[in-house]
Amino acid sequence: DTAVSQTPKYLVTQMGNDKSIKCEQNLGHDTMYWYKQDSKKFLKIMFSYNNKELIINETVPNRFSPKSPDKAHLNLHINSLELGDSAVYFCASSPWGPSYNEQFFGPGTRLTVL
Amino acid sequence: AQTVTQSQPEMSVQEAETVTLSCTYDTSESNYYLFWYKQPPSRQMILVIRQEAYKQQNATENRFSVNFQKAAKSFSLKISDSQLGDTAMYFCAFIGAAGNKLTFGGGTRVLVKP
Repeated sequence: DTAVSQTPKYLVTQMGNDKSIKCEQNLGHDTMYWYKQDSKKFLKIMFSYNNKELIINETVPNRFSPKSPDKAHLNLHINSLELGDSAVYFCASSPWGPSYNEQFFGPGTRLTVL
Repeated sequence: AQTVTQSQPEMSVQEAETVTLSCTYDTSESNYYLFWYKQPPSRQMILVIRQEAYKQQNATENRFSVNFQKAAKSFSLKISDSQLGDTAMYFCAFIGAAGNKLTFGGGTRVLVKP
């Protein structure tokens, strides 16, 4: 059973399009995250939700909008895609509580903007 | 803001030998947690080992161990008896005790040669 799943795994699209990436976790965790890994492999947090509430919102363009319909799902919608949005996007989840709790990562979605 | 620095972009090691990856961090917090994550070519992020800053004893997990030097803000990872499956990117990460935002270093690519 996949603990944290993302769809799609690969996404190729044209500049200016709008796209969504979906994330689901079946671990019963309260907290979910989106991370971006750029072409140099640098990983940076974008957003974090706890029980459907936004708790971390890093300096991310307004074109990125996370949505959490319930605590098991955290989707990422990106408007007006730009070349610089090309990256691997990781969803993760963890229990709410002490920060030593492991964050479980999904397999990543490689987004390529042409 | 916390920063995490991995000064070795790439390392290679012969199978069965030992390799040590360095990580330094900067924080004003007194209580925090440190992690090493592994990212093999499959892209999946896997937790290797974690260390709680208030614990003096260095964490170990099978062939993986850390050397945590709190005063020096250093957190190195030693991989003993390297195996081909250890070939991956390794990321050092920091999280404050009160937060849930992982801050990652730039990664070290480890290549285990037969």
